[in-house]
Amino acid sequence: DAGVIQSPRHEVTEMGQEVTLRCKPISGHNSLFWYRQTMMRGLELLIYFNNNVPIDDSGMPEDRFSAKMPNASFSTLKIQPSEPRDSAVYFCASSLQGYEQYFGPGTRLTVT
Amino acid sequence: DQQVKQNSPSLSVQEGRISILNCDYTNSMFDYFLWYKKYPAEGPTFLISISSIKDKNEDGRFTVFLNKSAKHLSLHIVPSQPGDSAVYFCAAHSYNQGGKLIFGQGTELSVKP
Repeated sequence: DAGVIQSPRHEVTEMGQEVTLRCKPISGHNSLFWYRQTMMRGLELLIYFNNNVPIDDSGMPEDRFSAKMPNASFSTLKIQPSEPRDSAVYFCASSLQGYEQYFGPGTRLTVT
Repeated sequence: DQQVKQNSPSLSVQEGRISILNCDYTNSMFDYFLWYKKYPAEGPTFLISISSIKDKNEDGRFTVFLNKSAKHLSLHIVPSQPGDSAVYFCAAHSYNQGGKLIFGQGTELSVKP
């Protein structure tokens, strides 16, 4: 299996621009998680889906962030408009009704 | 409100010696604990886990200990190898929080030859 796939791996954008991060979970997994890693806050959960339905979005920092999962094999995390403080590494992870989550390689976002 | 804490941001150990990484938690409803390992430019990878009904789980060089009364768990790596140098995250699972994992801040382990 290819594992969790994220794209792009690196994104550099200017403040105010829209940013879209993409994730393809492991085939057959039914839960998908979006995380953000920063030096200050560590690894924090933004939102997660179960069977394509958002279950908990309490970690989404503000209305500029939105996430969708139109089907079992694809999810997006969108930031509009982006700000320099959004600069971080964003991870997507998936799991199959278990405790273990499998992480993608991450997207390093830099907002200038 | 940090429910899972790793108070040591970094740890340096000599090759061949024991590495001990610590993790404290506050929520007594956590039912499962996991350790993840992360290399630079990669996502975290699962390392070892322990159920809250156990106090020890061993897998090769890695052993996790759980002390429920102290709300403390630790990861022991014996013997430590240079390839173990990475950031280690402690995570806790709770059904009463929707089944999500709560991660600690991470501890960066450096194993020197």
